[in-house]
Amino acid sequence: QQQVKQSPQSLIVQKGGISIINCAYENTAFDYFPWYQQFPGKGPALLIAIRPDVSEKKEGRFTISFNKSAKQFSLHIMDSQPGDSATYFCAASLGNQFYFGTGTSLTVIP
Amino acid sequence: GAGVSQSPSNKVTEKGKDVELRCDPISGHTALYWYRQSLGQGLEFLIYFQGNSAPDKSGLPSDRFSAERTGGSVSTLTIQRTQQEDSAVYLCASSAAPRAEQYFGPGTRLTVT
Repeated sequence: QQQVKQSPQSLIVQKGGISIINCAYENTAFDYFPWYQQFPGKGPALLIAIRPDVSEKKEGRFTISFNKSAKQFSLHIMDSQPGDSATYFCAASLGNQFYFGTGTSLTVIP
Repeated sequence: GAGVSQSPSNKVTEKGKDVELRCDPISGHTALYWYRQSLGQGLEFLIYFQGNSAPDKSGLPSDRFSAERTGGSVSTLTIQRTQQEDSAVYLCASSAAPRAEQYFGPGTRLTVT
């Protein structure tokens, strides 16, 4: 059973637009929700993360919105740039175990 | 400083052969993870090492998979009698402490023919 469900699978956004990627989780015991960015040929890199005691976290153009009651969280990329084109993974963790979504391929068109 | 390194970057092997994948974590990082990334899939947790504690092997998909970490540093993931479904990118990550930020290596792309 997929512990973390991510959508959409792919996303195309115009430069300057807002990119939104959504994730839903099953286990209410998860207590850490990171987002990773992965460029081709590279390993994922931590982008931003949130814990369930807050509903939103913003770092620069990147914002996580967290809805504990709905068991959903999302990544918003404001003013999307071509350099943001990458694959994005959400994850949820409990203890030492990390459960990843299936990834979203984002393309930002100049 | 140096990040997580993995070798080889690519490995092509015949079905039934054994393979060893190597991970060099960031110096001083006590936690080390192995993941498998299949095409169109997310990262699948395989195994976790923390210091001198017994590893968490709960993610290993079969007894053909094993891993060790020598001296609390370098780790080797071994896949015996490889099958075509083992074809994937194998990623290693290390962190300075349990549940701290994970730093990923570039991965080893394994192709079983």
